[in-house]
Amino acid sequence: SQQGEEDPQALSIQEGENATMNCSYKTSINNLQWYRQNSGRGLVHLILIRSNEREKHSGRLRVTLDTSKKSSSLLITASRAADTASYFCATPPRRGAQKLVFGQGTRLTINP
Amino acid sequence: DSGVTQTPKHLITATGQRVTLRCSPRSGDLSVYWYQQSLDQGLQFLIQYYNGEERAKGNILERFSAQQFPDLHSELNLSSLELGDSALYFCASSVASGPGNTIYFGEGSWLTVV
Repeated sequence: SQQGEEDPQALSIQEGENATMNCSYKTSINNLQWYRQNSGRGLVHLILIRSNEREKHSGRLRVTLDTSKKSSSLLITASRAADTASYFCATPPRRGAQKLVFGQGTRLTINP
Repeated sequence: DSGVTQTPKHLITATGQRVTLRCSPRSGDLSVYWYQQSLDQGLQFLIQYYNGEERAKGNILERFSAQQFPDLHSELNLSSLELGDSALYFCASSVASGPGNTIYFGEGSWLTVV
């Protein structure tokens, strides 16, 4: 069963622009994690945001979490060609569980 | 490099056969997870082990089994393989078993069943 749903499914922007991806989930959570996957490669952990946090930064990445709306967003600023990848949000299926359930991902393409 | 090592990277086998995928977690990580990624199903959680014991089970078929050994490495056994089992199989690990721990993924094992 899917917990996180990313939106949009695909996003294509010009290099240098900002990219925003959204994730909605269904149940109460302790944390939400964002991952990146280059085509055919492993998932790279980007950020973990806990339920008591509203915003978190890591380099050009900014993640927000709105637990009242059960949603999160990932913002990539000043995008680069190397940011081309699929981005997934992942959440525990229920509060207290540790395994992660992934959405279908957002396929981000950065055009030079 | 996440520190999670998976072997083999690629595997081609025939229907009806059995294969074993191997995973070495990051140093110090006690929890191991297995995921399957296919085009039609996306990333599906299969099973989790913590310090040698099964902790959570997901959409794992009865033809599949896994275990975690005393040295914490894990193996995923896939038997009576079908064409639909072709997928990318990921192993992941984390320090502990409670929520809020970052889970790190390996590069995956590509399985093609012909």
